[in-house]
Amino acid sequence: DTEVTQTPKHLVMGMTNKKSLKCEQHMGHRAMYWYKQKAKKPPELMFVYSYEKLSINESVPSRFSPECPNSSLLNLHLHALQPEDSALYLCASSQGASRGDRGSEQYFGPGTRLTVT
Amino acid sequence: AQKVTQAQTEISVVEKEDVTLDCVYETRDTTYYLFWYKQPPSGELVFLIRRNSFDEQNEISGRYSWNFQKSTSSFNFTITASQVVDSAVYFCALSGITGGGNKLTFGTGTQLKVEL
Repeated sequence: DTEVTQTPKHLVMGMTNKKSLKCEQHMGHRAMYWYKQKAKKPPELMFVYSYEKLSINESVPSRFSPECPNSSLLNLHLHALQPEDSALYLCASSQGASRGDRGSEQYFGPGTRLTVT
Repeated sequence: AQKVTQAQTEISVVEKEDVTLDCVYETRDTTYYLFWYKQPPSGELVFLIRRNSFDEQNEISGRYSWNFQKSTSSFNFTITASQVVDSAVYFCALSGITGGGNKLTFGTGTQLKVEL
């Protein structure tokens, strides 16, 4: 099973709202990722969690707050977003970054299409 | 620094034609990994293939084949006898051992349109 699930599929929120995006995988992967993708652009890495610890933060604004409650779940908490944050948010997972798993392929979820009004 | 170049922004072919998507990469790492992903209009990125820098063997999977050449830093993807369902954006990506091997650098993507 190579499935990564994300909820919700679509989200419309105002600039003062607080919302969360959720991601789940049951492949036993120990690395999980958040990407942001604007239309006609490649995905941009936001955060990487490795063994439930934040290992990479690509200088993402603090209005995006990631959380990894356990090895299967990854959340992205959103607060006071701007219209330019409207995008497709993709979650991915991979086996991990330990010596034997480096460079392992990432499996992506279907994404959450976020619109900030 | 790592870089992936997909010079073809958009390609249009007629069904059953063969098509090659080009990918050129740059990295200072001696150990690195190359990937191809497909993104259909639905939005989900679908993993197609992974290659490490020590394995230059070409690969064929059904109608798909990949040509990895370290001498030219290229990892090209060929679809034989294209079908309408192949219409998608295709991304080539690279991760180097310096970044722990799990930080992907994507190319800008190639939009493939297969018409009847």
